[in-house]
Amino acid sequence: NAGVTQTPKFQVLKTGQSMTLQCAQDMNHEYMSWYRQDPGMGLRLIHYSVGAGITDQGEVPNGYNVSRSTTEDFPLRLLSAAPSQTSVYFCASSIFLRGQSFLFGYTFGSGTRLTVV
Amino acid sequence: RKEVEQDPGPFNVPEGATVAFNCTYSNSASQSFFWYRQDCRKEPKLLMSVYSSGNEDGRFTAQLNRASQYISLLIRDSKLSDSATYLCVVTRGENYGGSQGNLIFGKGTKLSVKP
Repeated sequence: NAGVTQTPKFQVLKTGQSMTLQCAQDMNHEYMSWYRQDPGMGLRLIHYSVGAGITDQGEVPNGYNVSRSTTEDFPLRLLSAAPSQTSVYFCASSIFLRGQSFLFGYTFGSGTRLTVV
Repeated sequence: RKEVEQDPGPFNVPEGATVAFNCTYSNSASQSFFWYRQDCRKEPKLLMSVYSSGNEDGRFTAQLNRASQYISLLIRDSKLSDSATYLCVVTRGENYGGSQGNLIFGKGTKLSVKP
């Protein structure tokens, strides 16, 4: 059971380049999300999804796009990379119980370390 | 007031010590509470959920005080392997869509256990 798989693990981009961070889970979780983690800032939510075809913005969505065509995959696209997007990106998934609070927390992928120069 | 506040530490303790971490949260509508552990350059991993009645898992005890919006984690008989950053996490608790499930993370408390 692979859990949540993120690729690539490391990436260096030049300012203005675009790329897609991949995230896949094999636990049939409806809920998936992307966080970024910066020193002194903690984890901040970028985008999330409660099921295929449904996405919404989190706390820091600017400069990022997402889509959710399948339950398993939730890619994060950087449209035009900026140095401010240098960060560690984590994808997470969870069981989603509609109308109820989360009971089980999230399972995280191992992260993508992105540097924009 | 920040949504989730923790003392950043670091807490430097000898092996065998008992150490306690505290956390406060601002949204009274938050419904689920967790402690996560994050090792250096690794992803956060769920340590334990926190229930109103308090709960224990081996050397770890978590407490929740909803009236004071306060969460605690107690680690007894600290081990070298307990060295990590401990994240206090709560659900957003809003009443629509999926955002009620979004987890809000504290910035973490760093623990270093020394021989």
